[in-house]
Amino acid sequence: DIQLTQSPSSLSASVGDRVTITCRAGQSISNYVNWYQQKPGKAPKVLIYGASSLQSGVPSRFSGGGSGTEFTLTINSLQPEDFATYYCQQSFIIPLTFGGGTKVEIK
Amino acid sequence: QVHLVQSGAEVKKPGASVKVSCKTSGYTFTDYYFHWVRQAPGQGLEWMGWINPNSGDTSYAQKFQGRAIMTRDTSISTVYMELNRLRPDDTAVYSCARSYDTPYSAMDVWGQGTTVTVSS
Repeated sequence: DIQLTQSPSSLSASVGDRVTITCRAGQSISNYVNWYQQKPGKAPKVLIYGASSLQSGVPSRFSGGGSGTEFTLTINSLQPEDFATYYCQQSFIIPLTFGGGTKVEIK
Repeated sequence: QVHLVQSGAEVKKPGASVKVSCKTSGYTFTDYYFHWVRQAPGQGLEWMGWINPNSGDTSYAQKFQGRAIMTRDTSISTVYMELNRLRPDDTAVYSCARSYDTPYSAMDVWGQGTTVTVSS
């Protein structure tokens, strides 16, 4: 199985900050990474697919990058509604796997 | 509008089985694969498997092989996930999610989740 390691596991940030979350894969997965946002008690919502493509309807302050084994999710100008937990997921090979999550909290 | 609506919360005893449904509407049922993902309390997301609603083909994470069964009923645009021989550590929120055309696409719409509690 492909392990995905997210860092940090949590962070505190202020509204307006730029935040970057990293996801490292145990082996090369090309660009087969998706990013999800999850708020408490809610289903995950896809933000980025194929490492860098913005899902329709997602604000442009979210962006993704990387390929191979290292990927990033960046949130420019953090907004109050962005405080949530973020997960990366690889869709390169079955079994699909998720990173452990990064909780973004208000400073 | 696209909807994935899941069945209600369940409480089961260890050793029992649970069957969760996911009823879809608002799009062509057979255009999308379905995944089942679970989340234990306070934990991350765990992929369980997928089903192709066209063929009924399935693929399961090794952890759930032999214990999970995913099926579909195309006449009512619904997929099901049955988990047998339940254990207390199966207590989790179980969610269905769809992905377009292949199981390798992103999961773009999710059900609201079904809480399954396993306790004696």
